[in-house]
Amino acid sequence: KQEVTQIPAALSVPEGENLVLNCSFTDSAIYNLQWFRQDPGKGLTSLLLIQSSQREQTSGRLNASLDKSSGRSTLYIAASQPGDSATYLCAGYNQGGKLIFGQGTELSVKP
Amino acid sequence: EPEVTQTPSHQVTQMGQEVILRCVPISNHLYFYWYRQILGQKVEFLVSFYNNEISEKSEIFDDQFSVERPDGSNFTLKIRSTKLEDSAMYFCATSYTYEQYFGPGTRLTVT
Repeated sequence: KQEVTQIPAALSVPEGENLVLNCSFTDSAIYNLQWFRQDPGKGLTSLLLIQSSQREQTSGRLNASLDKSSGRSTLYIAASQPGDSATYLCAGYNQGGKLIFGQGTELSVKP
Repeated sequence: EPEVTQTPSHQVTQMGQEVILRCVPISNHLYFYWYRQILGQKVEFLVSFYNNEISEKSEIFDDQFSVERPDGSNFTLKIRSTKLEDSAMYFCATSYTYEQYFGPGTRLTVT
């Protein structure tokens, strides 16, 4: 069974700190990988999509990497801000095109 | 920028009633998906739909669920006889190739 796991489940950091969120997947048949942000009670905002042929993607203060051989992806957030507080979801695309989601990391950035 | 829309944003229904959740995909998208998120849990895949057929469905997607594109634009999810455990946020997603774009979700509350 294909599974996506995220650690830690929750993270609290002071404003300005750089941080890394981790995602691992059990099956090499996970192709592309996507990171989302979810605010409480809200929908999913796509942050970065990494295709299987790529190793990383960058958008502003966010950098996501993908290592299929080890089954891992990381999301790096530079110079964190209180507005970054949210739950971050990692999701892998399987061969059929469906997304398999991790349970998320709840990030709190303290002013 | 084109976006996926969903209606209603919140639906309250009594147990045993039928509900229809609606999604308007991005106009040139070909692949359609429904996911759900029970409060505090992972986002889970329900069903994928392409060329007017179900491509894949999860074990959650039993005979109580159905999907269709009634008029070539809307994409609907019907739950025939709702149960308390169907209470969740339901997300529609659509894609042209592989990258999925999510709607804002419909919060379904079954009482």
